[in-house]
Amino acid sequence: QSVLTQPPSVSGAPGQRVTISCTGSSSNIGAGYDVHWYRQLPGTAPKVLIYGNNNRPSGVPDRFSGSKSGTSASLAITGLQAEDEADYYCQSYDSRLTGWVFGGGTRLTVL
Amino acid sequence: QVQLVESGGGLVKPGGSLRLSCSASGFTFSDYLMSWIRQAPGKGLEWVSYISRSGSIIYYADSVKGRFTISRDNAKTSLYLQMNSLRAEDTAIYYCVRHPHVDFQSWFDPWGQGTLVTVSS
Repeated sequence: QSVLTQPPSVSGAPGQRVTISCTGSSSNIGAGYDVHWYRQLPGTAPKVLIYGNNNRPSGVPDRFSGSKSGTSASLAITGLQAEDEADYYCQSYDSRLTGWVFGGGTRLTVL
Repeated sequence: QVQLVESGGGLVKPGGSLRLSCSASGFTFSDYLMSWIRQAPGKGLEWVSYISRSGSIIYYADSVKGRFTISRDNAKTSLYLQMNSLRAEDTAIYYCVRHPHVDFQSWFDPWGQGTLVTVSS
């Protein structure tokens, strides 16, 4: 059971927009800690996609965006492409656990 | 370029021990906080342990507390994870990661390629 809750899967057709939610609690996202997003392609290590709630590292297209409100955060992907098929994870810090926490991951399927 | 390379994984029997190493290059290792993160086969990501720049502050996930020990050698630009009393549920790919930011809100970047630890009789 992950501390942050994500939907196990989402899907969309090429060109569409999808969102992935990440729900936490008052000791992590709700406490004001930043949310970060990672993308993991099969057989590879995760890579940061969004950091600090809504910042993109260089090289990440602006089709990817993040937002945060209250105890939740969201990752939005517009103009869906086949190469976006991957597992996506949210991450934050939890003051009650004194450690870093992840969502369970969401598998994105491009139909 | 910034690089993290893990080693030391392998097959070990329940109750056994293993020491993972992570060699860092392309940045000033002693300036950065570091952590280990693991991923069981087909499962999600789990933070395992954290160490401060000097090694004076260390945190562990409850699942490994008392069994795992994190350490670092800044002169050798290396991070370590000593794993004792291993259990089947410790089977996972273990990633060495850097905290790019100095406070607890930091993300993890980069990640090493990971080293597989399999605990089985």
